[in-house]
Amino acid sequence: GQNIDQPTEMTATEGAIVQINCTYQTSGFNGLFWYQQHAGEAPTFLSYNVLDGLEEKGRFSSFLSRSKGYSYLLLKELQMKDSASYLCAAMDSNYQLIWGAGTKLIIKP
Amino acid sequence: GAVVSQHPSRVICKSGTSVKIECRSLDFQATTMFWYRQFPKQSLMLMATSNEGSKATYEQGVEKDKFLINHASLTLSTLTVTSAHPEDSSFYICSATEGDINQPQHFGDGTRLSIL
Repeated sequence: GQNIDQPTEMTATEGAIVQINCTYQTSGFNGLFWYQQHAGEAPTFLSYNVLDGLEEKGRFSSFLSRSKGYSYLLLKELQMKDSASYLCAAMDSNYQLIWGAGTKLIIKP
Repeated sequence: GAVVSQHPSRVICKSGTSVKIECRSLDFQATTMFWYRQFPKQSLMLMATSNEGSKATYEQGVEKDKFLINHASLTLSTLTVTSAHPEDSSFYICSATEGDINQPQHFGDGTRLSIL
């Protein structure tokens, strides 16, 4: 079956760095997406990886290893506004997105 | 760019009412639109995928006669929850993609539906 695993909740300190991991098992693979979702709001797109390696975008970076079925989202210089859920989603061979349950990130002062 | 507008943002109505939710892509033509449902503290559950001018493809377990989807144009899709009941109360979110299907989905702000 198809499956996405990511931690349920993580806690980090303002100004620090946090890495949110995601492992996936899909029928075929057409890329890995990360979205941010604040409580009560809709998700917003953060990143897309389809090739192995690290993609950097400001304070946020996303990494993909296709051979390991693994991705992570790295958040640097954490700010209180980064408190949100982070959703990992893998696209299968039919271009269907398989969504993870999300990682709730709590930032403490 | 890539703004998706969803309306209304919140609906509270009596059991048995039908509710229509609109999803519009404001600055791009959406080749594909998606409708999701999300329960508290859970991930997104895809309900259906729609392409302009064709019937929506519903996910297993989603009643197409209960959740009517109309993708009338490249910028508008509607979801009608017919004869809504309390168990239909949820957060409904639409999204749209532009161009190739592996492009990121851009989400509307969601509609919180509460059926009394």
